[in-house]
Formats: sequence, structure tokens, C-alpha cells
Amino acid sequence: AQSVTQLGSHVSVSEGALVLLRCNYSSSVPPYLFWYVQYPNQGLQLLLKYTTGATLVKGINGFEAEFKKSETSFHLTKPSAHMSDAAEYFCAVILLNRDDKIIFGKGTRLHILP
Amino acid sequence: GAGVSQSPSNKVTEKGKDVELRCDPISGHTALYWYRQSLGQGLEFLIYFQGNSAPDKSGLPSDRFSAERTGGSVSTLTIQRTQQEDSAVYLCASSLGYRRGTEAFFGQGTRLTVV
Repeated sequence: AQSVTQLGSHVSVSEGALVLLRCNYSSSVPPYLFWYVQYPNQGLQLLLKYTTGATLVKGINGFEAEFKKSETSFHLTKPSAHMSDAAEYFCAVILLNRDDKIIFGKGTRLHILP
Repeated sequence: GAGVSQSPSNKVTEKGKDVELRCDPISGHTALYWYRQSLGQGLEFLIYFQGNSAPDKSGLPSDRFSAERTGGSVSTLTIQRTQQEDSAVYLCASSLGYRRGTEAFFGQGTRLTVV
């Protein structure tokens, strides 16, 4: 079974519009959760992470994500998209009842329309 | 070094040849990961090390793939008798491990092209 699922391999939003990238996980124990971004021809960098504490986490470049245990979700949002946000976004989990392995979703490519 | 270093950055090899890809993790990071990224395929997990041991090798695609880590530091991913379907970007990452709640830091990757 897939441990982390990203809904939509491609998402297009207009510049200035809300960005919403969806991520759901499968685990009986709340995992550690991460969002990474990969800009064109660059490596992956961390956007934000949730381990414990406040369920709404803020990251770089105006992005934030909220951990919802009841929905087993960790969706990524940004109120107003910018052209520079065009990139591929990966959700990742560490399943705490297993080991240190970081499991990535298949990624969502975000396109920004002018 | 300050970050995860991978070498070479690009490798073109002939089908059937063996290749070695190297990863230097961030100093002190006990966990080390190898992933493969193909166009449109996302990040495919290959293998994970905790220290020098590999608790999870489940992602290695075939017995042509192997990896080792020595001294709890440098790791080498070896692909024997390369095939065209091995062409991809191979990414290495390291972390302090989940017990410290830390994320993985990625290298820039090795782009492997099998011709």
C-alpha cells in the first residue's frame, strides 16, 4: 500500500490565485511529514516539516501546511501564487512505527499561468 | 563539506559497462538514502543506510544494483552491466535520523545516461 499519496501529478493555477497541493498518508501512527520543492534543474530542498506540536506549520516562500490527523492529510497551501513558484513539489513521510526510511510521494508539478 | 556531495555530476556510459556513483553525506549524519528520479516517475526509493548497515534494500531494482557504506560516511552505489532503462538521475540524501525529527538533505544528483 502506498504510504503517501499526492493527488494530481500536474496542477495549474493563475498568478495571484490560491495554491493547494494535496497530500495524504497511510499510517496508524501519525508520521513525521515533509514537503520538498525541486525547481527546474535544481536539487530538492525542504519547504517545511511537521514532527510534533503546532499542526499548522509555515515554511519558506510563503508556503504553509496543516497536519490533520482525522483526515490523514498534510496539504500544502500558499495564498497567492507567484511565477517563481513553478516547480515540482514532493510530500514525504517518516513512519514512526518502522524505521528512518523517508518515503516520497510521486510529486506534483505546479504550473503558474500568467 | 557543508552539504551532501555527489560525484560525478554527469556520467555517460555504454550499455553493459559497470558504473560507480559516490555520495559524501553531511558530517555526522547517520542516515543515508539513495533515490532514483526518472522523467515523470517521481522519486523511487533504492536503499537506506543507518550507519554502515542497510536495514532496507527493498528498492534496489535488480541484483545488478548494490550499495555500500563505509566508516558511517561515504556511500557508493554500483550498477553492473548497465542497461538503457538505468538512465536516470540518482539522488543521495542524508539526515540525523527521525529520532531527532530532522529532514533529509539532498545532493545535486548524478545524471546517468546509458547509450
